[in-house]
Amino acid sequence: EAQVTQNPRYLITVTGKKLTVTCSQNMNHEYMSWYRQDPGLGLRQIYYSMNVEVTDKGDVPEGYKVSRKEKRNFPLILESPSPNQTSLYFCASSFSLGGFSYEQYFGPGTRLTVT
Amino acid sequence: GQQVMQIPQYQHVQEGEDFTTYCNSSTTLSNIQWYKQRPGGHPVFLIQLVKSGEVKKQKRLTFQFGEAKKNSSLHITATQTTDVGTYFCAGLPNDYKLSFGAGTTVTVRA
Repeated sequence: EAQVTQNPRYLITVTGKKLTVTCSQNMNHEYMSWYRQDPGLGLRQIYYSMNVEVTDKGDVPEGYKVSRKEKRNFPLILESPSPNQTSLYFCASSFSLGGFSYEQYFGPGTRLTVT
Repeated sequence: GQQVMQIPQYQHVQEGEDFTTYCNSSTTLSNIQWYKQRPGGHPVFLIQLVKSGEVKKQKRLTFQFGEAKKNSSLHITATQTTDVGTYFCAGLPNDYKLSFGAGTTVTVRA
């Protein structure tokens, strides 16, 4: 089954404790991205990756890191989480963007609470 | 910041009525996509519009892309309880950075 998986689905952590949210897709997609969803603000892109070893900042990258060492995986790293990073996070993937975009497949989401 | 604006933010609809949600961009879009997110779920792709003035229909949903490729709309006729959720538009104003609108959250009263 074609899908995007994220782990964990729920996480409560404390300020400053490094965490990683994993994202994996089995569709051989080149493009992957991370979004955060906050009430009234919709989906805001954090980082995206055009392909292996190619990543770039989205609209709200501060406080986040990503890596793309393998095509299928795109982990989101919070080195020192703060309460303003409490949010619902989605990973998404698609065939390549640029000139013509393809539908984004979203993971189930990770609800993060930072206290 | 967000380059694609979406209105209204909330839409409370009587079952059986029609409604429209609008998406506007300050820049020309190469294409626009629409997604639906059910409560507690994740966004799911509905449709993509590419051509200027394009109109596409999916049962009771009608999607339009403006002539200038700066705006789009989603019109739902005869709203049903299954239409509940948040509808997002997403445009590609710049290469590789899909920009989502803030969404229209739809509730339906029976």
